[in-house]
Amino acid sequence: DAGVIQSPRHEVTEMGQEVTLRCKPISGHDYLFWYRQTMMRGLELLIYFNNNVPIDDSGMPEDRFSAKMPNASFSTLKIQPSEPRDSAVYFCASSLQGIRQFFGPGTRLTVL
Amino acid sequence: KNEVEQSPQNLTAQEGEFITINCSYSVGISALHWLQQHPGGGIVSLFMLSSGKKKHGRLIATINIQEKHSSLHITASHPRDSAVYICAVLPDSGYALNFGKGTSLLVTP
Repeated sequence: DAGVIQSPRHEVTEMGQEVTLRCKPISGHDYLFWYRQTMMRGLELLIYFNNNVPIDDSGMPEDRFSAKMPNASFSTLKIQPSEPRDSAVYFCASSLQGIRQFFGPGTRLTVL
Repeated sequence: KNEVEQSPQNLTAQEGEFITINCSYSVGISALHWLQQHPGGGIVSLFMLSSGKKKHGRLIATINIQEKHSSLHITASHPRDSAVYICAVLPDSGYALNFGKGTSLLVTP
């Protein structure tokens, strides 16, 4: 299995631009998680899905962030408009029945 | 206050030393994870515990549910063990991990 796949691996954009991060979970996994990692706050949950349905989005910072999971093999995290404080590493993880989580390599986002 | 506290924040050891990283948490949990993050940034799950003790190679993880405490031990440490070790708990009430801030370990030759 290829593991959790994220794209792009690195993204540099200017303030105000729309950013879309992509995630392909491990086939057969029914939970998908989006996390953000910063130096100041460490790893934080943004949102998670179970069977493509958003379950807990209480970690989504504000309306500029949105996440979708149109099918079991694909999820997106969108930031519009982006701000410099959104600069972080964004991780996607998936798991089967909510047990052990497998992390993707992360997307390093820099907003100038 | 963070629900998951790790200590120490930073740790430097000489190759061969026995290392202990501690994790305390304040919520009821169904499981506790120890994660490893190398300088390249990838995160790997080392252990998932709900009771007792687990061992994998030179790594040992223990948990005391009553005391809400877990430890990660590394025996005969090696420079390739240098990484950030993160404790994360899975609360009783959900499926999303709560993370500690991590312990940055540097093992020198």
